[in-house]
Amino acid sequence: EAQVTQNPRYLITVTGKKLTVTCSQNMNHEYMSWYRQDPGLGLRQIYYSMNVEVTDKGDVPEGYKVSRKEKRNFPLILESPSPNQTSLYFCASTIRAGGLSTGELFFGEGSRLTVL
Amino acid sequence: DAKTTQPTSMDCAEGRAANLPCNHSTISGNEYVYWYRQIHSQGPQYIIHGLKNNETNEMASLIITEDRKSSTLILPHATLRDTAVYYCIAQGGAGSYQLTFGKGTKLSVIP
Repeated sequence: EAQVTQNPRYLITVTGKKLTVTCSQNMNHEYMSWYRQDPGLGLRQIYYSMNVEVTDKGDVPEGYKVSRKEKRNFPLILESPSPNQTSLYFCASTIRAGGLSTGELFFGEGSRLTVL
Repeated sequence: DAKTTQPTSMDCAEGRAANLPCNHSTISGNEYVYWYRQIHSQGPQYIIHGLKNNETNEMASLIITEDRKSSTLILPHATLRDTAVYYCIAQGGAGSYQLTFGKGTKLSVIP
């Protein structure tokens, strides 16, 4: 089954304790992205990756890192989490065909992170 | 990127067609109209997209006005499972992946 898998789905942590949210897709998609969703602010893009070893900042990259060493994986790293990073996080991916987008982003089920 | 305007919320009776409007009066010639929905706090789900012509798939129909300044997403026979927030996005050209999600329309399907 084609899917985007995120882990963990739920996490409560404390300020400053490094954590990684993993994202894996099994559709051989080149493009992957991370969003965060907060009440009243909608979905905001954190980072995206057009291909292996190619990453770029989205609208709200501060406090986050990403890496894309393999095509299928795109982990989101919070080096020193703070309470303002409490949010619902989504990973998404899409295929590229000749450099064109189909417009169809596939989203994971979300990771709800609470930083105390 | 074109700004989109959607009603905050709408109700629809179960079994009836749900017509969700979207205004994108500043859309440029190469910007597509995309529709996604989000059920509760699940990951958003792609529904449909189009450029100029009306589009239909197994989930919905997209009607784009001739001047492209507005569009309507039609769910032909709404069910309770269609209760969700629906996002209209007017953005990007061919090859664009960067989609900006606004606040959407909360559709409630009523039994």
